[in-house]
Amino acid sequence: AQSVTQLGSHVSVSEGALVLLRCNYSSSVPPYLFWYVQYPNQGLQLLLKYTTGATLVKGINGFEAEFKKSETSFHLTKPSAHMSDAAEYFCAVSDRGSQGNLIFGKGTKLSVKP
Amino acid sequence: NAGVTQTPKFRILKIGQSMTLQCAQDMNHNYMYWYRQDPGMGLKLIYYSVGAGITDKGEVPNGYNVSRSTTEDFPLRLELAAPSQTSVYFCASSYLGTGLPGELFFGEGSRLTVL
Repeated sequence: AQSVTQLGSHVSVSEGALVLLRCNYSSSVPPYLFWYVQYPNQGLQLLLKYTTGATLVKGINGFEAEFKKSETSFHLTKPSAHMSDAAEYFCAVSDRGSQGNLIFGKGTKLSVKP
Repeated sequence: NAGVTQTPKFRILKIGQSMTLQCAQDMNHNYMYWYRQDPGMGLKLIYYSVGAGITDKGEVPNGYNVSRSTTEDFPLRLELAAPSQTSVYFCASSYLGTGLPGELFFGEGSRLTVL
């Protein structure tokens, strides 16, 4: 069965510092991969996704992620954190042909210190 | 531009009561989903629907029922509420037309407490 592991339930960075949120997946074939963000008391919204093609994917708000098949990873990065980036981030995976059903990781809460 | 609308936003139930969480989308999406979110556990799929009249179980369907009589609406029914159903429930929708997974659009959530 597919699974997603997010390393670190809570990550804290200083404003302006690099953001790195880790995600590893298990799958027998390359899946579709997603990062979602959830701001307090809101639903999730898509940050970026990898389906096919270029392995470095750019998303909204300056975030990007790189699909590394050899490492079964899809880590999320942003060069310079902003206070508004404080939120919970979820990595998700979807099997090709799974009718779009997503398997979510447990989430990583990002705090940004001034 | 409403997107996905969930009602109610908050509800407190007593053990054994029943209720329906409503979900409506105005984007003409064919796929709809119900997830529950528990602290530190991510989101778990309860039920999903690939179109009107078609529903299927997700990972955690026990204690819930759904129906999809129209493209727009996908209500989630809780029968005989139990404390284990205390959670935040999210409805989502997406459009799958080319075989590639579409973006899921989420509602703002319904926070349910069972006492």
